[in-house]
Amino acid sequence: DAGITQSPRYKITETGRQVTLMCHQTWSHSYMFWYRQDLGHGLRLIYYSAAADITDKGEVPDGYVVSRSKTENFPLTLESATRSQTSVYFCASSRGTGELFFGEGSRLTVL
Amino acid sequence: KQEVTQIPAALSVPEGENLVLNCSFTDSAIYNLQWFRQDPGKGLTSLLLIQSSQREQTSGRLNASLDKSSGRSTLYIAASQPGDSATYLCAVGGFEGSQGNLIFGKGTKLSVKP
Repeated sequence: DAGITQSPRYKITETGRQVTLMCHQTWSHSYMFWYRQDLGHGLRLIYYSAAADITDKGEVPDGYVVSRSKTENFPLTLESATRSQTSVYFCASSRGTGELFFGEGSRLTVL
Repeated sequence: KQEVTQIPAALSVPEGENLVLNCSFTDSAIYNLQWFRQDPGKGLTSLLLIQSSQREQTSGRLNASLDKSSGRSTLYIAASQPGDSATYLCAVGGFEGSQGNLIFGKGTKLSVKP
């Protein structure tokens, strides 16, 4: 089905491990985004990408790495997970109108 | 720094009531404003997008207004239904080209009782 999909939906890992969250969209939208949602903070932008091979930092980029070798994929990597990165992560895409389309989220727990 | 506030944090109404959700922002120099809906354990669904040059947008029973000068937006839901129960989030876009660099409010959790 067309849309934006995230995997895994749920992940438990340990402090210090590397974790990659995947995001795939089938609309060929130029823009893709990673947000995290935490109680008390709401949604905050981690990284975004305007096109393949173009990425930029958002509000809370520390501890995260992104890449965008193909338009449809935008993986988010936690190189050495910390407990403070326990969160729900949302990927989103946009065709450039300003309207965002969100995935279902990936719930990450770091023990 | 832009801040977005949504009041109330939670709202419970009986089915059939018309209701208004409020969103305020501190910097009136916005590019657009969006209202989203989030169901428990789900992602966000865009409801209405208002560009800075617009005053309101309508979709079905939903109407969103924007008053940039006062830093306010309202989401009006007519004839509420239990299926409208969800968290409603307001987000502002800062400038053209920011494309998704949105500042979100913390949401209003709406419960519509049958």
